[in-house]
Amino acid sequence: GAVVSQHPSRVICKSGTSVKIECRSLDFQATTMFWYRQFPKQSLMLMATSNEGSKATYEQGVEKDKFLINHASLTLSTLTVTSAHPEDSSFYICSASQGLAAEGDEQFFGPGTRLTVL
Amino acid sequence: LAKTTQPISMDSYEGQEVNITCSHNNIATNDYITWYQQFPSQGPRFIIQGYKTKVTNEVASLFIPADRKSSTLSLPRVSLSDTAVYYCLVGDITADKLIFGTGTRLQVFP
Repeated sequence: GAVVSQHPSRVICKSGTSVKIECRSLDFQATTMFWYRQFPKQSLMLMATSNEGSKATYEQGVEKDKFLINHASLTLSTLTVTSAHPEDSSFYICSASQGLAAEGDEQFFGPGTRLTVL
Repeated sequence: LAKTTQPISMDSYEGQEVNITCSHNNIATNDYITWYQQFPSQGPRFIIQGYKTKVTNEVASLFIPADRKSSTLSLPRVSLSDTAVYYCLVGDITADKLIFGTGTRLQVFP
């Protein structure tokens, strides 16, 4: 199957700093990329959907100025957590789809990035 | 968006068949049903996807009744490595996104 990578796999930062997480589709072009956040023992929560070359669509309750998403190419999307605070500590997972996910095109998930804010 | 309901947890023993049922009463005509598996600190992994009747691949089967208001993931002869959280997702073509439900935490015992 198609491969999606994330970098870094884990990051520890001080409160108030910004952290950038990269999501890459390695062997296919991703029309759409999704960003999820997952707290311990909870389900994945969709944060935003991004399409190459356009602004991301954020889910209700997700601050777009805090979680900056850039989808500059068909193989790369980045999530920047600005002015991170301890409550932003979580497991961030991206996924990528070649077409419309809801029409049956499979979503391929990255391995996740563990963010810890001290 | 079609909402899904799954049991929170299930226990099984090695070698047994495990069936996890998901309810999706307001599934739309064009929605697909997809199941993912997730291990701790890893991204979800695709298991199987279907639209109606029965789908089988090398790891699982998916049974979907005619009314499509539910679906059952069947894992034949589970092993300890099948201990994971399993998510049922229903695709909403109008929203073009997949929303994860609470998932079912499967624990396989020796």
